[in-house]
Amino acid sequence: EAQVTQNPRYLITVTGKKLTVTCSQNMNHEYMSWYRQDPGLGLRQIYYSMNVEVTDKGDVPEGYKVSRKEKRNFPLILESPSPNQTSLYFCASSSGQGGSPLHFGNGTRLTVT
Amino acid sequence: SQQGEEDPQALSIQEGENATMNCSYKTSINNLQWYRQNSGRGLVHLILIRSNEREKHSGRLRVTLDTSKKSSSLLITASRAADTASYFCATDYKLSFGAGTTVTVRA
Repeated sequence: EAQVTQNPRYLITVTGKKLTVTCSQNMNHEYMSWYRQDPGLGLRQIYYSMNVEVTDKGDVPEGYKVSRKEKRNFPLILESPSPNQTSLYFCASSSGQGGSPLHFGNGTRLTVT
Repeated sequence: SQQGEEDPQALSIQEGENATMNCSYKTSINNLQWYRQNSGRGLVHLILIRSNEREKHSGRLRVTLDTSKKSSSLLITASRAADTASYFCATDYKLSFGAGTTVTVRA
């Protein structure tokens, strides 16, 4: 089944403790992206990647890192999480061709205390 | 920068009625897409309209695009309880989303 898999689904951590949220897709998609969703603010793009080893900042990249060493994986790294990074995170992928739809993962709800 | 902005923020309708929501954007586009999100889950793609199209249909969905006004509308006809969700628009492939329109369909 074609899907985008995020892990973990829920994560509670403390300020400053490095964490990684994994994202994997099995559709051979070139384009992958991370979003955070906060009430009243919609989905804001954190980072995106057009292909392996090609990443670029979205609208809210501060405090996050990503890597794209393999086509299928696009992990989101929070080196030193802070409470303002408490949010619902989504990973998405698409073939990258003009107009191709985004496929979303089921989300990771992160709480930083 | 948020490319797509949805309006209204919230909409409550009776089952069987039509729901209309709008999307405005700021710069020229190649295409515009609409997505649905059910209660905190991942977004699901509904329909895409290209910049050279004015109207498109998919089942009970009708999308229009007015590039001169930089706006699009999504119409859901004969709404059902299962249509209760948030709806988002996004433009081109970088795809930034607005805050969405939350639609509640009352039985």
